[in-house]
Amino acid sequence: AQTVTQSQPEMSVQEAETVTLSCTYDTSENNYYLFWYKQPPSRQMILVIRQEAYKQQNATENRFSVNFQKAAKSFSLKISDSQLGDTAMYFCASPTGANSKLTFGKGITLSVRP
Amino acid sequence: GAGVSQSPRYKVAKRGQDVALRCDPISGHVSLFWYQQALGQGPEFLTYFQNEAQLDKSGLPSDRFFAERPEGSVSTLKIQRTQQEDSAVYLCASSFGVRGNTEAFFGQGTRLTVV
Repeated sequence: AQTVTQSQPEMSVQEAETVTLSCTYDTSENNYYLFWYKQPPSRQMILVIRQEAYKQQNATENRFSVNFQKAAKSFSLKISDSQLGDTAMYFCASPTGANSKLTFGKGITLSVRP
Repeated sequence: GAGVSQSPRYKVAKRGQDVALRCDPISGHVSLFWYQQALGQGPEFLTYFQNEAQLDKSGLPSDRFFAERPEGSVSTLKIQRTQQEDSAVYLCASSFGVRGNTEAFFGQGTRLTVV
């Protein structure tokens, strides 16, 4: 079974500040992947960053980085130097099964204040 | 095309009406997924195609939901006798491969409102 949990419904951050979005998961698979997706008001899901479970090094993509704690099954997203364009819903997700269908968390609404 | 295209973007249906939602995936993408996203929630898996073969339809909520991808490219999600609980955003995603690390590209979705 694969579950993804995001317990914070919404967060707010001042422009240029740093914010961390939390995610926990549960899986029975030995090797797996974790993703963070961004969904702006246009509704189009955009991949922000991905992490492979067998890689110990945390993934980084420009202002976005993850804190992957495998033993704790935690996968948080850190956004540095927040920008107004970061305002969106953010979903933590993991592919599961032979088809790699994505299991999503409930999402968190992030608002960046000017 | 440059990305995944879905049409229509908005659809209002009267309860009991049949609807058809279209997805044009990125050319050459083998995998195609349909997801249903209720308001304020994360997307939930409906069905999966690998080329023209529907390999997983475990997420379809009832036999009123039907999906096809006859030539392995364009896909249609059909909902018969729509009900109010079918109101949601329907997202289509495609990916080049089938492995778990393959990035899925999403369309902008179709927002279905059943009145």
